[in-house]
Amino acid sequence: EDQVTQSPEALRLQEGESSSLNCSYTVSGLRGLFWYRQDPGKGPEFLFTLYSAGEEKEKERLKATLTKKESFLHITAPKPEDSATYLCAVGYGQNFVFGPGTRLSVLP
Amino acid sequence: DVKVTQSSRYLVKRTGEKVFLECVQDMDHENMFWYRQDPGLGLRLIYFSYDVKMKEKGDIPEGYSVSREKKERFSLILESASTNQTSMYLCASGTWGSTDTQYFGPGTRLTVL
Repeated sequence: EDQVTQSPEALRLQEGESSSLNCSYTVSGLRGLFWYRQDPGKGPEFLFTLYSAGEEKEKERLKATLTKKESFLHITAPKPEDSATYLCAVGYGQNFVFGPGTRLSVLP
Repeated sequence: DVKVTQSSRYLVKRTGEKVFLECVQDMDHENMFWYRQDPGLGLRLIYFSYDVKMKEKGDIPEGYSVSREKKERFSLILESASTNQTSMYLCASGTWGSTDTQYFGPGTRLTVL
């Protein structure tokens, strides 16, 4: 069965403590992998799209990477304002499937 | 900046009422989507549309219908609201091609009593 999973479910970091979030997928014919940030009570905000293994994208303290079966969102020296739920989604065919998200808390 | 707007941020309806949720995008995107988001279940696709008057069922279309009469507007209709349709509803728009992104609206928190 095609599926998208994310780990960990929740992550608490101290300010400045770098870490990575994982998104694993088992779909066939990947057309794109998407990362979003979602603040409580708001719609997801688009961050990155990755198309092929080996590709990397960066934005401020965030860097997304893609392999054949998973993607990582690396957060370098996070700040409290990076606290949010991070969602990944996989596009294949006409389908979009979202992972369950990782809830990130960055403590000052 | 891309803008996706939804008609209401919060909505309270009674069981059996007909409910309309409207979404408007200003980026001339071909594709528009309706999702619902529930704790522990994540984002689930209800319907999407890839052109005016075209619609496709997503993963959970039961109890919902949609309408797309103009390219910029996509409506979600609950013909007879039920308590299990209490949820956060999110509209998105995007292209499918070189940009392949979806942009989301702020969401409508619907409560059905």
